[in-house]
Amino acid sequence: QKEVEQNSGPLSVPEGAIASLNCTYSDRGSQSFFWYRQYSGKSPELIMSIYSNGDKEDGRFTAQLNKASQYVSLLIRDSQPSDSATYLCAVSLGGSGYSTLTFGKGTMLLVSP
Amino acid sequence: DGGITQSPKYLFRKEGQNVTLSCEQNLNHDAMYWYRQDPGQGLRLIYYSQIVNDFQKGDIAEGYSVSREKKESFPLTVTSAQKNPTAFYLCASSSRQGFAGELFFGEGSRLTVL
Repeated sequence: QKEVEQNSGPLSVPEGAIASLNCTYSDRGSQSFFWYRQYSGKSPELIMSIYSNGDKEDGRFTAQLNKASQYVSLLIRDSQPSDSATYLCAVSLGGSGYSTLTFGKGTMLLVSP
Repeated sequence: DGGITQSPKYLFRKEGQNVTLSCEQNLNHDAMYWYRQDPGQGLRLIYYSQIVNDFQKGDIAEGYSVSREKKESFPLTVTSAQKNPTAFYLCASSSRQGFAGELFFGEGSRLTVL
């Protein structure tokens, strides 16, 4: 059974701070990792993808992957109230053959002005 | 504008009734998916289709059925056999056949069983 674990939160940070969201996964063969943002009552949207160990930066967002520890994180620098949402971690086996995504339950982030 | 259209946005159903949720995309994507989301929960995969006239069960397919007669359309029927159908249903598509990671989602359909 593939599992993706996230702290449900809420994670509360003040405006301008760094928010750190964490995710662990159980399947050591996982190769593709994604972060989706979901505002309350809305559908998810992809914000970051990462496929190799290390950091990947896109604007204020940085995804970090450590396959040895089966750990993926998302850092949000200079957090804004508009970043308040639930962040879903998703993992896929990828590689050869088809594999679907397994989602975590999400971490709610609250950024206070 | 390209995107995924789900309808209806809100739907109420009496117990014992079947209901069909529509999903149409004009992104020219090959793969399409149906997910279910319950409050405080992540997304769980119901069915997916990589090409026309082919689809596979996901993790929670019992009580649901789908068809894929056209590339643009992937309707989901929630049957009376689904024991707890009240949920937020999300349709998604992916441009890369054989790769399920980068999904585009519709706005969702919220089903309530009375």
